[in-house]
Amino acid sequence: DVKVTQSSRYLVKRTGEKVFLECVQDMDHENMFWYRQDPGLGLRLIYFSYDVKMKEKGDIPEGYSVSREKKERFSLILESASTNQTSMYLCASSFRTSFHEQYFGPGTRLTVT
Amino acid sequence: AQSVAQPEDQVNVAEGNPLTVKCTYSVSGNPYLFWYVQYPNRGLQFLLKYITGDNLVKGSYGFEAEFNKSQTSFHLKKPSALVSDSALYFCAVRDMEGNNRLAFGKGNQVVVIP
Repeated sequence: DVKVTQSSRYLVKRTGEKVFLECVQDMDHENMFWYRQDPGLGLRLIYFSYDVKMKEKGDIPEGYSVSREKKERFSLILESASTNQTSMYLCASSFRTSFHEQYFGPGTRLTVT
Repeated sequence: AQSVAQPEDQVNVAEGNPLTVKCTYSVSGNPYLFWYVQYPNRGLQFLLKYITGDNLVKGSYGFEAEFNKSQTSFHLKKPSALVSDSALYFCAVRDMEGNNRLAFGKGNQVVVIP
């Protein structure tokens, strides 16, 4: 089975802190994605990556950056956390030609106080 | 941009009754459509997809979806709902104008009442 793991299930950070969310997949997938999930808004794509060191902005990249130094790992970085970044963050991965069949991690619920 | 709409926020259904979760789409060209489910405290799981072929698509856990081109709909169905089907359901479309990534709907909460 494909496994996508995220470093934390719950995280509480203070405004202005730098926050790292880590995601690791074990299926040798080329594509990796970061979404945020908010009630009534569904899933919104923050960033995605086609390959190592490659990244593309999604719909809401402002306030976020990403890093993909190894194929299996995709990190989401909040340079200076703000309260409006309190949300559920979901990581996903897929094969290069199968953008649609994405495998999701369990999510990280981030609270910024 | 390609998009999907899920018009209902919550669907309540009695256990054993048919379950329908609605989705309509807006795309240029032929749509690639998907359903995902999110059980409580879990990540999203792929349920089924429509790419081409038969309009009735069968997926996991007894779910199926019907593609209707004239109504631009892709409703998710299950003949007999279980309490364990209570979850959040997302419809999605491949956004061919956006690097083929998925565009998700806002989600529908399904509550199956025992």
